[in-house]
Amino acid sequence: GAVVSQHPSRVICKSGTSVKIECRSLDFQATTMFWYRQFPKKSLMLMATSNEGSKATYEQGVEKDKFLINHASLTLSTLTVTSAHPEDSSFYICSASDDGELFFGEGSRLTVL
Amino acid sequence: GENVEQHPSTLSVQEGDSAVIKCTYSDSASNYFPWYKQELGKGPQLIIDIRSNVGEKKDQRIAVTLNKTAKHFSLHITETQPEDSAVYFCAATPVRGSTLGRLYFGRGTQLTVWP
Repeated sequence: GAVVSQHPSRVICKSGTSVKIECRSLDFQATTMFWYRQFPKKSLMLMATSNEGSKATYEQGVEKDKFLINHASLTLSTLTVTSAHPEDSSFYICSASDDGELFFGEGSRLTVL
Repeated sequence: GENVEQHPSTLSVQEGDSAVIKCTYSDSASNYFPWYKQELGKGPQLIIDIRSNVGEKKDQRIAVTLNKTAKHFSLHITETQPEDSAVYFCAATPVRGSTLGRLYFGRGTQLTVWP
């Protein structure tokens, strides 16, 4: 299947700093990418839909100014957690669609101290 | 919007036995039903999917069945092995042409296969 690469896999930061997570589709072009957040032993919660060349569409309850999404090219979308706080600690996963199937990245574990 | 229910939340089986996970959905417009396996600390991996124009699909030890009338679909794993232990998620979404909409996920099933 298609490959979606996510980086970094783990990041630890101090409260108040910003963290950027990259999501790349390695062998296909993705007009649309999705960002999810997952809490321990919980299902995936869709945060936003990232559209290449336009603004992301955020789900209800997700702060646009806190979670900045940029989809600069057909193979790269980034999620920036701004002014991170301990409650932002979570597992963030991106996904991209290729020919009608959805593939996920390996996820990024964010820990905010 | 779509609502996907998944049962059971946990499932323990002996190695070699079969495991069945069931999901129901609410939106009759949904026509694509993937299943994902998620191992600890990793992203979900697509293991099998089915579209509404077929009732069953099989890939080695894994099979998925779909009943569109009853709006439910199931994952069947035969001859389970310890490496099958993981969290399994079902999902549903409408697909228009080749454009995949947002996926609606079930809550997940923690499958444990005892050797």
